[in-house]
Amino acid sequence: EAQVTQNPRYLITVTGKKLTVTCSQNMNHEYMSWYRQDPGLGLRQIYYSMNVEVTDKGDVPEGYKVSRKEKRNFPLILESPSPNQTSLYFCASSLGSGGLNEQFFGPGTRLTVL
Amino acid sequence: EDQVTQSPEALRLQEGESSSLNCSYTVSGLRGLFWYRQDPGKGPEFLFTLYSAGEEKEKERLKATLTKKESFLHITAPKPEDSATYLCAVQAHTGNQFYFGTGTSLTVIP
Repeated sequence: EAQVTQNPRYLITVTGKKLTVTCSQNMNHEYMSWYRQDPGLGLRQIYYSMNVEVTDKGDVPEGYKVSRKEKRNFPLILESPSPNQTSLYFCASSLGSGGLNEQFFGPGTRLTVL
Repeated sequence: EDQVTQSPEALRLQEGESSSLNCSYTVSGLRGLFWYRQDPGKGPEFLFTLYSAGEEKEKERLKATLTKKESFLHITAPKPEDSATYLCAVQAHTGNQFYFGTGTSLTVIP
């Protein structure tokens, strides 16, 4: 089944404790992206990647890191999480490198930083 | 600055009562406008892509249209299963970044 998977789905952590949220897609998509969704603010793009070893900042990259060493994986790293990073996170992928095709979204990761 | 505004924030319809959702955008050269549906607790699900003014796309009870400044998602004779949040997003020619609106929460009452 074609899908985008994220792990973990739920995470409660404390300020400053490094964490990684994994994202994997099995559709051989070139474009991958991370979003955060907050009430009243909608979906905001954190980082995106047009292909392996090619990443770029979205609208809200501060406090996040990403890497794209393999085509199928695009992990999101929070090196020193803070409470304002408490949010619902979505990973997405699409076929073309520019992302102009439909994006397939993962199920989401709900992160709470205490 | 690229920007997307959706209205209304919330909409309650009786089953069968047609209506439209609005997405206004400001972008430096539109590359594509996208509509997504999001059910509670799930990731957004793709509905349509529109590329140029005058373009229209349809899927079941939904029809999306595009002008140079806004897009409409028309819902004809909605059913309770159409209840969801509808999201609009744009991508500009200047980059590969996406900008989403805050969505319209639609409730269809039987």
